[in-house]
Amino acid sequence: GAVVSQHPSWVICKSGTSVKIECRSLDFQATTMFWYRQFPKQSLMLMATSNEGSKATYEQGVEKDKFLINHASLTLSTLTVTSAHPEDSSFYICSAGWGTGGYQPQHFGDGTRLSIL
Amino acid sequence: AQTVTQSQPEMSVQEAETVTLSCTYDTSESDYYLFWYKQPPSRQMILVIRQEAYKQQNATENRFSVNFQKAAKSFSLKISDSQLGDAAMYFCAYRSRAGGTSYGKLTFGQGTILTVHP
Repeated sequence: GAVVSQHPSWVICKSGTSVKIECRSLDFQATTMFWYRQFPKQSLMLMATSNEGSKATYEQGVEKDKFLINHASLTLSTLTVTSAHPEDSSFYICSAGWGTGGYQPQHFGDGTRLSIL
Repeated sequence: AQTVTQSQPEMSVQEAETVTLSCTYDTSESDYYLFWYKQPPSRQMILVIRQEAYKQQNATENRFSVNFQKAAKSFSLKISDSQLGDAAMYFCAYRSRAGGTSYGKLTFGQGTILTVHP
């Protein structure tokens, strides 16, 4: 079946550095990718929607300059957390889908645990 | 905007027993999808069951079934013959059928942590 690969699965870095998370669709062309953030024992909160070749649409309250999203190809979207600080520590999950109508499933990556020291 | 509410932060069940997880939602749309996802400690998101709003028949997947009440905007999940592997956080989710650039966007409830006792 369709698979979404998310990398890295766990990253620890110092405050002030930038971290890039990749989300790849391995056997289908993802026209839309979603980035979620999840705190422990809480729900998934949508951060942004990215469509291939266009600017990402950010949810209200999400800092565009802090969380840079690029969807340069139909198989790759990246989330860059710029100048990361401890409050950015969280679990980030991407999901990918294709099509613009009818039912097409969303496929989730396995998530990235980000820890900022 | 759509909202999804899960009013049970935690639930527990004995192995082999049945448990029902509650979910309500709010939408002005008439056509949509509803889902239950399972997130075990590995934090992988696993689709448990899907319901199309235009279908009156409740979806079932082996030991998992839903009670979909469209007028009441209620979508509960029943797990029969509970197993230790069912222990996880369960999320109810809404997805519009409308197309466009946000096609596929999921709105999640707060989640319910299910504990299964041996």
